[in-house]
Amino acid sequence: GEDVEQSLFLSVREGDSSVINCTYTDSSSTYLYWYKQEPGAGLQLLTYIFSNMDMKQDQRLTVLLNKKDKHLSLRIADTQTGDSAIYFCAGSIPRGNYGGSQGNLIFGKGTKLSVKP
Amino acid sequence: EAQVTQNPRYLITVTGKKLTVTCSQNMNHEYMSWYRQDPGLGLRQIYYSMNVEVTDKGDVPEGYKVSRKEKRNFPLILESPSPNQTSLYFCASSPRITDFGSYNEQFFGPGTRLTVL
Repeated sequence: GEDVEQSLFLSVREGDSSVINCTYTDSSSTYLYWYKQEPGAGLQLLTYIFSNMDMKQDQRLTVLLNKKDKHLSLRIADTQTGDSAIYFCAGSIPRGNYGGSQGNLIFGKGTKLSVKP
Repeated sequence: EAQVTQNPRYLITVTGKKLTVTCSQNMNHEYMSWYRQDPGLGLRQIYYSMNVEVTDKGDVPEGYKVSRKEKRNFPLILESPSPNQTSLYFCASSPRITDFGSYNEQFFGPGTRLTVL
């Protein structure tokens, strides 16, 4: 089955760029996602990338996808203290037997980003 | 406001005392899911539901029950809680999971922190 790996911690200084990396085992996910969890809150979808894309940019966020190496990364430019959070990458896995394959998300363990002023 | 709500947000209980954590969504979503989040382990799926009266086990279902009698509600039941069920629990919902390759944004509740003594 799908396995998603992330490093657990990243510390950067305010204003620097942050790069959070993720590797996955199953290349059949059509979409790959980044979720953000702020302290004391649930997860929120931050951005996603369709599997036939190499890169997606959304303001300060850049998602890079290397399908050959099964590697996904999230770059946050000009990191701010408000970006301090846990970031999860996620892919889809087939699960269930209700008339076909239905997709569930499987999450990495999460990378805790700490931003120092 | 479109949201997923969970109650209670915090609960301290003792071993063996049955408890229910409620989850409700007001977005008319078909798919709902329960996760637990533990340090170093990330999010692990407990149970999910594709629609009313349709539920199935996730990765860590032991010790938990669920029901889906109405579309909006998906309670998590611990019949006889044990200390290893001390965790942070999240409910999530999604409009519909049609097939493995579909876009799948999940909306998360704020979490329930459960301590079993």
